[in-house]
Amino acid sequence: DTAVSQTPKYLVTQMGNDKSIKCEQNLGHDTMYWYKQDSKKFLKIMFSYNNKELIINETVPNRFSPKSPDKAHLNLHINSLELGDSAVYFCASSYRTAITFFGQGTRLTVV
Amino acid sequence: SQQGEEDPQALSIQEGENATMNCSYKTSINNLQWYRQNSGRGLVHLILIRSNEREKHSGRLRVTLDTSKKSSSLLITASRAADTASYFCATDGGSQGNLIFGKGTKLSVKP
Repeated sequence: DTAVSQTPKYLVTQMGNDKSIKCEQNLGHDTMYWYKQDSKKFLKIMFSYNNKELIINETVPNRFSPKSPDKAHLNLHINSLELGDSAVYFCASSYRTAITFFGQGTRLTVV
Repeated sequence: SQQGEEDPQALSIQEGENATMNCSYKTSINNLQWYRQNSGRGLVHLILIRSNEREKHSGRLRVTLDTSKKSSSLLITASRAADTASYFCATDGGSQGNLIFGKGTKLSVKP
């Protein structure tokens, strides 16, 4: 069974559109994250949710909004997509320890 | 802000040789982890070393940590073509549990 699953794997969309990426974890973890990996493979934390509370919000534009309906899900909504949003977005989860489990990533291409 | 810096950025070796990757970080840590990322895939946890440990082994992996120099190394012995991937070090950035990643080392193992 996939521990952290995110959909879709690929997303191609036009500038200005609104899109969502879904994420689910079946590990019983209490914290979920969204990371962004740019074209140079640099990974940066975007959001973190612990027990449905946002506990990290780095310098991410407010066009990005995480939504967590329950502990097992953390979806990422992106409004008014821009060319610079093109990247690979990873969902991840962890529980108390630092070992983090990652999804397979969503490659977002904005054209 | 980025925590870890790996070197080299890229490493190409022959099957059977050992591969050593280094990582430096800037602030105090509780632990340091290494992750592997195969092309087009998510990150997979390899090994975690705590700040009070100096060396740790897992199969063909050996990790060292020198907190006085704020550095770590990952040694892969008897490398295989299947070890071809990018390797990232990551440190715990704070109490929220998110990881701070280095830029990664791209390892290529030629058969």
